[in-house]
Amino acid sequence: TQLLEQSPQFLSIQEGENLTVYCNSSSVFSSLQWYRQEPGEGPVLLVTVVTGGEVKKLKRLTFQFGDARKDSSLHITAAQPGDTGLYLCAARKDFGNEKLTFGTGTRLTIIP
Amino acid sequence: DAGVTQSPTHLIKTRGQQVTLRCSPKSGHDTVSWYQQALGQGPQFIFQYYEEEERQRGNFPDRFSGHQYPNYSSELNVNALLLGDSALYLCASKEQRNEQFFGPGTRLTVL
Repeated sequence: TQLLEQSPQFLSIQEGENLTVYCNSSSVFSSLQWYRQEPGEGPVLLVTVVTGGEVKKLKRLTFQFGDARKDSSLHITAAQPGDTGLYLCAARKDFGNEKLTFGTGTRLTIIP
Repeated sequence: DAGVTQSPTHLIKTRGQQVTLRCSPKSGHDTVSWYQQALGQGPQFIFQYYEEEERQRGNFPDRFSGHQYPNYSSELNVNALLLGDSALYLCASKEQRNEQFFGPGTRLTVL
């Protein structure tokens, strides 16, 4: 069973600081996604990465897919209270495989 | 344009009972997936429906079953409820190879 492990599990930092969260596995994936989920809502897709080594930027968020397509990181610059939420990585093992496997999540709290 | 909607929002059942959760996909979407999210965990894939048939299934027992209607809406049925079935049940819809969108979920509590 493929497993996506996210670290840290919990992170609480001051507004304006930078942070990085990680998503790691021993399996190779065809694609990997990052979601943010807020209380009482479903996960919202932030980005999809497909190519090993790929880097995507979304305003203050930078996403990287590992060269071997087994891991990924999310870096947030100058964190803001609106960044607070549960960050989930999710991956598909094969192209065309509909099963999306989610990581354990990182709960991020930005303190004003 | 309404997104993915789910009903009910919250539900309380007792062990052994049966429950039906409902999902209306986003307009134009024909594929619906169901996920179980236990407290403090990431969502786990239950199954996916396309053209009214179960296309793929995760590691869930037969107590979990589903249905998709011609209008693409879907139901998740769980029989013989256990305490461990307490979770947020998420529905996600998509159109073919495009990315999926999640609904707000149904919070099920089994007492």
